[in-house]
Amino acid sequence: DQQVKQNSPSLSVQEGRISILNCDYTNSMFDYFLWYKKYPAEGPTFLISISSIKDKNEDGRFTVFLNKSAKHLSLHIVPSQPGDSAVYFCAASFYSGGGADGLTFGKGTHLIIQP
Amino acid sequence: DVKVTQSSRYLVKRTGEKVFLECVQDMDHENMFWYRQDPGLGLRLIYFSYDVKMKEKGDIPEGYSVSREKKERFSLILESASTNQTSMYLCASSFGRGNIQYFGAGTRLSVL
Repeated sequence: DQQVKQNSPSLSVQEGRISILNCDYTNSMFDYFLWYKKYPAEGPTFLISISSIKDKNEDGRFTVFLNKSAKHLSLHIVPSQPGDSAVYFCAASFYSGGGADGLTFGKGTHLIIQP
Repeated sequence: DVKVTQSSRYLVKRTGEKVFLECVQDMDHENMFWYRQDPGLGLRLIYFSYDVKMKEKGDIPEGYSVSREKKERFSLILESASTNQTSMYLCASSFGRGNIQYFGAGTRLSVL
């Protein structure tokens, strides 16, 4: 059972426009959400995160929105640039009472920025 | 700047071999993780550790074991490699709970 879902395997956006990447989750215990960006042959790079006590977090061109009632989060990139072309992973975690939190990842969305 | 180093970028092993994947982090992080990434499946958690000599199973621990003898080093062990363990393996570390995990560049393992 997939607990974190990214239903769009790929997304194509024109340079300068807004890119919106979506993510849905099923586990209501998740309380921390992250977005990672990954280039081929490299490890994922942290982009932005949000705690479940917030509904929005902004960092430069990147904004993450969280809708807890819908169990949905989205990443907005404005304006989109050619260097944003990569695979984006949504990830979630919850505090299980142990000493660390593994992340549950979605399958990723390949964002392609067209000139 | 956080650095997570995986000892090999590429490895080719034969079925039945014992395989060690090594990971070292330089930020004194308590937590370390091993994931595998497969096309169409995203990243899946194999094992993690929140302290020296402590380990916890992730979502897909079967066929793997881990070792954490020092805080900075976390090893993933394939006791008897099989072809379905051909994958990209990613190590990560983090400080405390709910914090950002920092990833290494990955080891692409091929089991023939």
